[in-house]
Amino acid sequence: DGGITQSPKYLFRKEGQNVTLSCEQNLNHDAMYWYRQDPGQGLRLIYYSQIVNDFQKGDIAEGYSVSREKKESFPLTVTSAQKNPTAFYLCASRPLGTSGAHEQFFGPGTRLTVL
Amino acid sequence: DAKTTQPPSMDCAEGRAANLPCNHSTISGNEYVYWYRQIHSQGPQYIIHGLKNNETNEMASLIITEDRKSSTLILPHATLRDTAVYYCIVTSSGSARQLTFGSGTQLTVLP
Repeated sequence: DGGITQSPKYLFRKEGQNVTLSCEQNLNHDAMYWYRQDPGQGLRLIYYSQIVNDFQKGDIAEGYSVSREKKESFPLTVTSAQKNPTAFYLCASRPLGTSGAHEQFFGPGTRLTVL
Repeated sequence: DAKTTQPPSMDCAEGRAANLPCNHSTISGNEYVYWYRQIHSQGPQYIIHGLKNNETNEMASLIITEDRKSSTLILPHATLRDTAVYYCIVTSSGSARQLTFGSGTQLTVLP
């Protein structure tokens, strides 16, 4: 089945440790996205990428880093510089085209808790 | 991207139609209206989108006013599994950037 996988579903880390969240898609989508969601809030964009080896900062990129070495993979690293990393992290992908509208497909999310 | 305004919460009786409104008065000509929903602790799920005309799929119908400044998502026969936060988003088709999610509408379907 085609889709987006995120692992793990729950992640616990000690304060001050970097942690990498995985996101893989087999939909052959060009664009990939990382969002953060806090309780009772909407999604906020962290980073997005339209093509391999290229990515752009979203609205809340500070304390995060990404890479896009392969089309199907877009891992997110939450660094120790992120002041409040406990949140629900969502990865999404989307085809890019010259016409029409294209919806984003979301993964199941990773809930990160920093102790 | 145009900003959207939605009521924070709504209730609907099971089996009845749920009508979720959205205002997007600053929408521009090349911007689409998208609807997503998010069931608790899951990733958002795409429902439907439209540009000018009303749209219908197996999940819902989307009614867009003639001036395109507002729209309504209709779930024709709501079930308990439709309880979720519903997001109305406006974005241009050529934008590779993100979808801007507001706080959405918490729809609670009551038995």
